[in-house]
Amino acid sequence: RKEVEQDPGPFNVPEGATVAFNCTYSNSASQSFFWYRQDCRKEPKLLMSVYSSGNEDGRFTAQLNRASQYISLLIRDSKLSDSATYLCVVLSGNTGKLIFGQGTTLQVKP
Amino acid sequence: SQTIHQWPATLVQPVGSPLSLECTVEGTSNPNLYWYRQAAGRGLQLLFYSVGIGQISSEVPQNLSASRPQDRQFILSSKKLLLSDSGFYLCAWSSQVGPSYEQYFGPGTRLTVT
Repeated sequence: RKEVEQDPGPFNVPEGATVAFNCTYSNSASQSFFWYRQDCRKEPKLLMSVYSSGNEDGRFTAQLNRASQYISLLIRDSKLSDSATYLCVVLSGNTGKLIFGQGTTLQVKP
Repeated sequence: SQTIHQWPATLVQPVGSPLSLECTVEGTSNPNLYWYRQAAGRGLQLLFYSVGIGQISSEVPQNLSASRPQDRQFILSSKKLLLSDSGFYLCAWSSQVGPSYEQYFGPGTRLTVT
């Protein structure tokens, strides 16, 4: 089983739609969680850190469910510019080593 | 603010040739530094990380090596490239201060081995 698993998609949604991605992780001792965004042929960029209470940043909401070992990312009112690959990232132990999922691709259509 | 640079941006090298990729960070001191590779259609694989000058940890056995000659400089090298070394090489940094483990990536080097 992979340490971090994501549905690769692609998720094709119209502008204005709400879309949610889930990610599961295998190590119950994981402490920190992140969502990164990666545009085609570019570097990943930090989108959000995921806090245990859940957190919101504008149209983006991240949730953590430790009991079920999954993280979610909700995007409301999708924009064309949201089209990208979203990487779920989990900190392995307390070594600072991040484990990356393979990403979920989102295509927002006009 | 902190910035991270990588060069070259793209590179085409023949099999068996040497490699040297460079990464530098500005605006921070004593960062943790990382080298990742992303093969086409695949996730990021951690290759090396460093917590200080001369301190390198290797994550996977391979024909690559890393060095950290200065606090904010991280170099990825190979003596003889293989076809399987093709990929997108990303350098990242994180702060050693505080509990945050957020990593920030450079623009990457796209390597094609022919």
